[in-house]
Amino acid sequence: GDSVTQTEGPVTLSEGTSLTVNCSYETKQYPTLFWYVQYPGEGPQLLFKVPKANEKGSNRGFEATYNKEATSFHLQKASVQESDSAVYYCALSPLGNTGKLIFGLGTTLQVQP
Amino acid sequence: NSKVIQTPRYLVKGQGQKAKMRCIPEKGHPVVFWYQQNKNNEFKFLINFQNQEVLQQIDMTEKRFSAECPSNSPCSLEIQSSEAGDSALYLCASSLSGVGNTLYFGEGSRLIVV
Repeated sequence: GDSVTQTEGPVTLSEGTSLTVNCSYETKQYPTLFWYVQYPGEGPQLLFKVPKANEKGSNRGFEATYNKEATSFHLQKASVQESDSAVYYCALSPLGNTGKLIFGLGTTLQVQP
Repeated sequence: NSKVIQTPRYLVKGQGQKAKMRCIPEKGHPVVFWYQQNKNNEFKFLINFQNQEVLQQIDMTEKRFSAECPSNSPCSLEIQSSEAGDSALYLCASSLSGVGNTLYFGEGSRLIVV
């Protein structure tokens, strides 16, 4: 079945350091890939999505490249800030399903000042 | 700021009681999803609708939940007989139709079953 595996957290970083959260996926369909972020007490919100292989998505300094060959969609940011502390979810929407998203288990990021 | 409105934010129910949650999707979005998020952050898809019709649901939802999205009224998800394992955050999301569309989530309804 369809699944997403991502870096197990929590990940603790100091402000100004770089971030990589690994995401790998499995599906027999050609998916759209997503990164969502969830802050305490809120619902998940879209960070960005990428519908096509070999393309890059980005927002707020975060970026990820859709690698179809490696079935990966790793999230990166060059310099994290304390306000980036949140839970990050990789997700996929396989072609041919009803539009639902399959989520990874989330990676908690804690950024220390 | 969520444009998907969920009520109530919190509800506390005893085992065996009904628990009902409501969701107003974002204007113009015909597709509505319900997910259960447990304390380990795991998302479980429960059901989705396009307009008033069920697109897909899991067995648990079919057996233990009652869900609907009537026209001109909020969507609702109701657990018929709450169990301790139902304690979770229930998230409603809406989207445009079609695969690959962004899901826009509400802030959730947190259910505690005592």
